[in-house]
Amino acid sequence: AAGVIQSPRHLIKEKRETATLKCYPIPRHDTVYWYQQGPGQDPQFLISFYEKMQSDKGSIPDRFSAQQFSDYHSELNMSSLELGDSALYFCASSFSGRGIHEQYFGPGTRLTVT
Amino acid sequence: AQKVTQAQTEISVVEKEDVTLDCVYETRDTTYYLFWYKQPPSGELVFLIRRNSFDEQNEISGRYSWNFQKSTSSFNFTITASQVVDSAVYFCALSEATQGGSEKLVFGKGTKLTVNP
Repeated sequence: AAGVIQSPRHLIKEKRETATLKCYPIPRHDTVYWYQQGPGQDPQFLISFYEKMQSDKGSIPDRFSAQQFSDYHSELNMSSLELGDSALYFCASSFSGRGIHEQYFGPGTRLTVT
Repeated sequence: AQKVTQAQTEISVVEKEDVTLDCVYETRDTTYYLFWYKQPPSGELVFLIRRNSFDEQNEISGRYSWNFQKSTSSFNFTITASQVVDSAVYFCALSEATQGGSEKLVFGKGTKLTVNP
């Protein structure tokens, strides 16, 4: 079965640079979530999209933005990177027609800011 | 707001021992979902189980079992006859409806399980 695809899997950037993370949800899934997991931390909700519209925001810095495109893939754009942005970024997708209740996670993108 | 507490930060056992990971949650919702995820050293989040608030039946899947008790707001996870491959961080999570209509997961801090040979 198809899973959530994230690219790239690893990314190394320098401070003040920009990074773009991509997420391709499971086909027919209409909701995408982004989570950030710092070293030794639990995943924290950043933002979600339903049918290409932003549906909710969590603790996402103003330097970050995201969108969901017509093909339902999503991109998380991160500017003016800071050392503290080094983390594992997960994308998850779900199908609203089934109610929640099942978010499928991608393998994550490990971002290292030097 | 929802909250998930995993009081055990780290647990170390010897192979073949049974181990229980505790999870206590807080929510005002009458309908909610609870989850357990496993995160091995490779980093991916592996879904283990989902439980809805109306289903208090315990579940067993191979060496894994889950004990859901609404009266104590707990959703504990037991691994019997632990194996070295069970070594990972285990997260308990609770679904929370958002204002925007989607749902997000609220995770506990995780329990790092080390199974020694």
